[in-house]
Order: sequence, then C-alpha cells, then structure tokens
Amino acid sequence: GNSVTQMEGPVTLSEEAFLTINCTYTATGYPSLFWYVQYPGEGLQLLLKATKADDKGSNKGFEATYRKETTSFHLEKGSVQVSDSAVYFCALRVSGNTPLVFGKGTRLSVIA
Amino acid sequence: GAVVSQHPSWVICKSGTSVKIECRSLDFQATTMFWYRQFPKQSLMLMATSNEGSKATYEQGVEKDKFLINHASLTLSTLTVTSAHPEDSSFYICSAREGQAPWTGELFFGEGSRLTVL
Repeated sequence: GNSVTQMEGPVTLSEEAFLTINCTYTATGYPSLFWYVQYPGEGLQLLLKATKADDKGSNKGFEATYRKETTSFHLEKGSVQVSDSAVYFCALRVSGNTPLVFGKGTRLSVIA
Repeated sequence: GAVVSQHPSWVICKSGTSVKIECRSLDFQATTMFWYRQFPKQSLMLMATSNEGSKATYEQGVEKDKFLINHASLTLSTLTVTSAHPEDSSFYICSAREGQAPWTGELFFGEGSRLTVL
C-alpha cells in the first residue's frame, strides 16, 4: 500500500539553525508529494509540493526535492525562525482522485 | 487561500453521548470533503470521503454506524460520533476541495476538533 514515513519529533532548534525533516514514501505508481504545515491553533496549510521526479518544491525559504531513486522528499530550510515553529506533515497522493496519505507529523520548535 | 472552518474546536463529553462536528467551507463550494482522524503520535488517517448529496464512502475499518457523515450542502459536512466511548477520543480534521475529480487544485483543511470522551 501507500505510506509515508517521516522522522519523529519533536525537533528543537535555535533560531537561524539549519533544518532537515526526513520523509520517505512507499507508493504504487508515481505519486505527487506534499509538505503541509500546521501552525498552533490553525488548520493544515500546503507548504510546498512536487509532482514528478527531480522537481523541487519551494516556499517561504523551505524546499524539498522529489527523489525517486531514494523515494524521499526531505524538507529543508537554511535558517529557521521562531515563527517556523509548527507541526510539519509529509504527504503523498497517487492520483488526482485519491485522498492524501500522511506521515505522522514532526513538531518543530524554534527557540530564540 | 480558501477557508475551511470546523466547530467546535474542542469538546468534552460523557461516554454514551453523541457529538456532532461541523465542517464548513466559507468561501467556496466543496463538492467533496474528507474526514481524517489523528491519534497521538500517529498519522492522519482518512476516515471517509463525503460527496455532497450522496452517501459517504468509508475507509476499511471505519464503522459507518458509529461515525455518521452528512454532506447535505455544498458548504457543510458534519461528522457525528454516536454513543461515544473513551477510545473515540481523538483529533478529527476535515478537508475540502472544489470541483470534480480528477482534482488539480489545493486541498484546504479545517483547524481540527479535539474530542475527549470521559
């Protein structure tokens, strides 16, 4: 079946530190890959996505590259801010009419 | 982006009672809504897909008689947890999208509703 595995948190970083949240997937076919973010008290928001191998999604300084050979979509940011503190979910969708499959989420706390 | 609102954000109820959670799309018509459940330290698990005007499609292992889903209008879907028990305590999240499959647009999520059954 289709599944997403992401690193367990919580992750605590100092401001301006480098962030990596690992995400690997198992899927039939060629999925689209997503990172969603949930800030405290809010719903999930799409952070970035990639629809085919070697695509790089980027937004708000975050980026992730669709690596088919390693079935990975790791999230990175060069310099995190306190405002990046949130829960990050990696997800995949196999086709346009199927629901998302989520990882467990990784809580990030950035301290000043 | 579009807004999806859930209500209530959190609810505490006694075992054996029923609880209704609403999911509304505030500025678009949601032909399809999805209900997810999240256990502590677990993935968001899809419970059911709700299409406006028709019966919901439940995922394997989800009791349709326990988790009643109604999608009576293009802007409202409700999840009713009937005869709730402590093991139903969880975080429930809805999401919604416009249009028909196959979708190319974004999926929008509600804030989630935390249910605690005593």
